[in-house]
Amino acid sequence: KAGVTQTPRYLIKTRGQQVTLSCSPISGHRSVSWYQQTPGQGLQFLFEYFSETQRNKGNFPGRFSGRQFSNSRSEMNVSTLELGDSALYLCASSLVGTGHYEQYFGPGTRLTVT
Amino acid sequence: QKEVEQDPGPLSVPEGAIVSLNCTYSNSAFQYFMWYRQYSRKGPELLMYTYSSGNKEDGRFTAQVDKSSKYISLFIRDSQPSDSATYLCAMNGGGSYIPTFGRGTSLIVHP
Repeated sequence: KAGVTQTPRYLIKTRGQQVTLSCSPISGHRSVSWYQQTPGQGLQFLFEYFSETQRNKGNFPGRFSGRQFSNSRSEMNVSTLELGDSALYLCASSLVGTGHYEQYFGPGTRLTVT
Repeated sequence: QKEVEQDPGPLSVPEGAIVSLNCTYSNSAFQYFMWYRQYSRKGPELLMYTYSSGNKEDGRFTAQVDKSSKYISLFIRDSQPSDSATYLCAMNGGGSYIPTFGRGTSLIVHP
């Protein structure tokens, strides 16, 4: 079974721009979560989507948004980029609802904001 | 107090040593416990997951959960330089699907 895939793997953007990141979960997984990882803050939860609905949300400003499509693929968008948004953005999928709560991560998208 | 505490290390050991990595937590509702390994500039890789208390073994890795003490451990036997990575613990439960992660412990296994 193919793992979680994320595109693109690397991005360099300028302050004020916006960016869209994509995630394809493991086949059959309907829950997709997004995390931001930085050396200073560790893994921080952004939001979780399940069956095209945002089910959980972390403490991030409204500039961070996401969506999920009917095939469970997910995108996250960051508008008006700031230097502090430079981070590794990780997507994780989960087979929730059958007693399985473990998450499987993709390789991440490394975003650099200059 | 953070919900999940994990010593950041680094923990440096010689090749072949037994490594013990630990996390403590405060939320007694946690029932599902996971360990991830993350190599530099890569995504976390799920190593082990356990439900409730007890031990689980997989090759050189053993995960241990003590719910009464709110303490979990990951043991690595016969450690190898390729085990050098950051190890994150994660846990959830109490109706929440979203895991709470520790900050990770950096492990260095030197030849």
